[in-house]
Amino acid sequence: AQKVTQAQTEISVVEKEDVTLDCVYETRDTTYYLFWYKQPPSGELVFLIRRNSFDEQNEISGRYSWNFQKSTSSFNFTITASQVVDSAVYFCALSESQGGSEKLVFGKGTKLTVNP
Amino acid sequence: DAGVTQSPTHLIKTRGQQVTLRCSPKSGHDTVSWYQQALGQGPQFIFQYYEEEERQRGNFPDRFSGHQFPNYSSELNVNALLLGDSALYLCASSAQGTGPHFGNGTRLTVT
Repeated sequence: AQKVTQAQTEISVVEKEDVTLDCVYETRDTTYYLFWYKQPPSGELVFLIRRNSFDEQNEISGRYSWNFQKSTSSFNFTITASQVVDSAVYFCALSESQGGSEKLVFGKGTKLTVNP
Repeated sequence: DAGVTQSPTHLIKTRGQQVTLRCSPKSGHDTVSWYQQALGQGPQFIFQYYEEEERQRGNFPDRFSGHQFPNYSSELNVNALLLGDSALYLCASSAQGTGPHFGNGTRLTVT
């Protein structure tokens, strides 16, 4: 069965600190997709990244970076030089579909608070 | 380009009543999924519609039903509401090769 574990329930940092959000997943499939979403207090789930299981290259997008390690079944997310606007709940999710459009299994989320 | 839109934003219903939530997918998307998010939890998959058929279903009772229309929009119906159905209901749309994009959700309160 699929499972996503986000062991960090809450993280609090001071602005400009770097912060890493951990995600560990379980799946028996060889083809799957991993996602990160941001959920601000407004409730909308904002899509951040989709990564397929065959692409283990790390990705950087501005202050965001993702480290995918198949050997440890982890897909960690780092925010560099955090800002107050980064405060939100972040969800990691897994999809066992080649197209990535099938159902997502979410972790319980990590609440990030960035203090000024 | 409009994203995923959901209506209504908020809804208050009484136990035992029925409710219908609506979703319009992002332009170019043909698949719609519904999720239930209880307070403090991650979203849980309810079901997915593609070509007007239910393609996958999560672990939810038959009180939860849905529909997809020819224009790809979708409805989620919940019958015989329970207090435990109070949650944020999220709609996500996708197409082959694109990750799901979510709407702002409908917050349902059952009293």
